Amino acid sequence: GENVEQHPSTLSVQEGDSAVIKCTYSDSASNYFPWYKQELGKRPQLIIDIRSNVGEKKDQRIAVTLNKTAKHFSLHITETQPEDSAVYFCAASISTGGFKTIFGAGTRLFVKA
Amino acid sequence: EADIYQTPRYLVIGTGKKITLECSQTMGHDKMYWYQQDPGMELHLIHYSYGVNSTEKGDLSSESTVSRIRTEHFPLTLESARPSHTSQYLCASSVASAANYGYTFGSGTRLTVV
Repeated sequence: GENVEQHPSTLSVQEGDSAVIKCTYSDSASNYFPWYKQELGKRPQLIIDIRSNVGEKKDQRIAVTLNKTAKHFSLHITETQPEDSAVYFCAASISTGGFKTIFGAGTRLFVKA
Repeated sequence: EADIYQTPRYLVIGTGKKITLECSQTMGHDKMYWYQQDPGMELHLIHYSYGVNSTEKGDLSSESTVSRIRTEHFPLTLESARPSHTSQYLCASSVASAANYGYTFGSGTRLTVV
């Protein structure tokens, strides 16, 4: 069935360094790829997304890239800060027959001050 | 403010009790979802709805039921709570449009069954 694999499961970086989280998806019909950030004890919140007709999108210190041929997409956080510490979830959505979103298992990011 | 609201925020209940977790959204979204999540762990889809009178089971086997009689309301009911139901339950909603497919999540109900 459809699957989204997310790596790494845990990532620890020094403040100011970059962090990269990678996801691969199985269903080539996927056409929307959101990323969610969940801080400790809070709800997941959409932080950035990308559509299948775009290869890269940037919003201040975060960026997403998409390689449709290889079926993988990545989240890049530059100049990390302690408040970036959270669990990040990638997802792949298919907008046919209603629509369906498959989430990755999450990456726990620790930014050390 | 347009948002999605879940009550109660925390619930401790005895084994065998029937409970209903409430979820309401004021954004006019057609699609609503229930996820089970141990804190900071994977999101497991247990039920979803694409509109009024439409409900489907998700990927995670669950002894719960849902109803969607009104667009804004999507309650989850556990007929007989068990300790294995102890978890966090997140409600979410979305509107499928060309501009935005993203989910808005509620703040969750943390359920403990003793």
